[in-house]
Amino acid sequence: DQQVKQNSPSLSVQEGRISILNCDYTNSMFDYFLWYKKYPAEGPTFLISISSIKDKNEDGRFTVFLNKSAKHLSLHIVPSQPGDSAVYFCAASARNQGGKLIFGQGTELSVKP
Amino acid sequence: KAGVTQTPRYLIKTRGQQVTLSCSPISGHRSVSWYQQTPGQGLQFLFEYFSETQRNKGNFPGRFSGRQFSNSRSEMNVSTLELGDSALYLCASSLTGGSNEQFFGPGTRLTVL
Repeated sequence: DQQVKQNSPSLSVQEGRISILNCDYTNSMFDYFLWYKKYPAEGPTFLISISSIKDKNEDGRFTVFLNKSAKHLSLHIVPSQPGDSAVYFCAASARNQGGKLIFGQGTELSVKP
Repeated sequence: KAGVTQTPRYLIKTRGQQVTLSCSPISGHRSVSWYQQTPGQGLQFLFEYFSETQRNKGNFPGRFSGRQFSNSRSEMNVSTLELGDSALYLCASSLTGGSNEQFFGPGTRLTVL
């Protein structure tokens, strides 16, 4: 069963505009969420995280929003840059699961100049 | 601070052989998690080690095993390799696991012929 879902396999955005990547989860025990950026044949790069006690976290151009009642989180990138083109994964962990991350299937973002 | 390192970066093995992959975490990190990435299954959690003990385990057969040393370096072993074990194997380290960011290494690309 897919506990973390990214329903959009791909997203195309114009440079300078906002990119919004979405993620849904089903397990109410998840209490920590992360976004990673990945290039082919490389390890994921950590972008930003959010604890379930918050509903928003910002870091530069990246903002993550968490809606616990809807079991939904989103990553906003503003403004989008061509260098942001990559696959983005959301991941979740539960308090009693230590360092076990459950990943979504990823969304490939393409930012066009 | 040096990042997570993994060796070797590439491996080619034949069915039935066994393989050992190595991971050196970021200095001071005590939790090491291993993940398998394949095109069909995405990023899947294998296991996590913390203070030389396996703390969590994913849904993989017993052919997949690991260990962690007193300096937090970790190895994973796959015995009796199958074609389906061809994948990118990633390790990630964090301070203590749980609600901590995990930082990934570049991965080991394993090809089983």
